[in-house]
Amino acid sequence: QVQLRESGPGGLVKPSETLSLTCTVSGDSVTSDSSYWHWIRQPPGKGLEWIGYIYHKGATDYNPSLKSRVTMSLDTSKNQFSLKFTSLTAADTAVYYCARDTGVSWYPFYGPKSWRPSWNFDLWGRGTLVTVSS
Amino acid sequence: EIVLTQSPGTLSLSPGERATLSCRASQNISRNSLAWYQQKPGQAPRILMSGASSRATGIPDRFSGSGSGTDFTLIISRLEPGDFAVYFCQQYGSAPCTFGLGTKLEVK
Repeated sequence: QVQLRESGPGGLVKPSETLSLTCTVSGDSVTSDSSYWHWIRQPPGKGLEWIGYIYHKGATDYNPSLKSRVTMSLDTSKNQFSLKFTSLTAADTAVYYCARDTGVSWYPFYGPKSWRPSWNFDLWGRGTLVTVSS
Repeated sequence: EIVLTQSPGTLSLSPGERATLSCRASQNISRNSLAWYQQKPGQAPRILMSGASSRATGIPDRFSGSGSGTDFTLIISRLEPGDFAVYFCQQYGSAPCTFGLGTKLEVK
C-alpha cells in the first residue's frame, strides 16, 4: 500500500523565515519513471493551490506565482522529497499536502518511452498545518 | 491562469437525491483536462474523475462527469451518507493547474 507522509517544523513558523517540509514515500519509489511528486497547499477554509512538482530525472516545475520562493529536492536514499519555501508571510498559512501524480507514457519518434505528468493527483498525504505567525 | 468558478457554493440535499455540481472556467479548457476531487473534513482530497468524464479507480458509477470547453458538471445520482463532503474541480489543460474554491454538499 502506497503512503505519503508529510513532516515539518511542528506547525508554527515566524514571518520571513524559511519553511522546510519533507514527504516520506512508502510503497513506491521517488525514482519511479512514472511518478511525479507534487506539493499542494490549502489555506484554512479555502481552495487548493498547486505549488510545484519534482521528477527524479531532475525536472521541476513551480507555480509562477510562487516560483521565486520555492525549491524542491529529492533524497533518493531516504525515498523522500522536500519543499523549501522562503520569505514566509501570514498568507502562507495553510495545510501543505504532498501528492503523487502517476504520469502518462508517450513514445517519441526516436528514443525510449518517455513520461509526462498526468496532473491527476491519485495519492495524497494527510497534510500538515503550517501557521505563519510571530 | 484559468480561474474556475464552482456553483453552488453550498448544496443542501437529502440521501437518495441527485446532486448536480457545476464548474465554469474563465477560458476554454483544452482536451477536457478537468478533474474532480472529493474532500471530507480533516482528510486529504480524493480524486473522483479525470478527463472530465473518466472515473478514477474504485469510484462508483453513481458519480458521472460531463462537459467541455468552459462548462463542466459532476452528477451524483443517488446520494449516500458518505457523499456529503466538499467537491473541487481542477483544470490541467493550461499551466499552472488551478482549482475551484469548492462546493460543499451538506445534508438537508
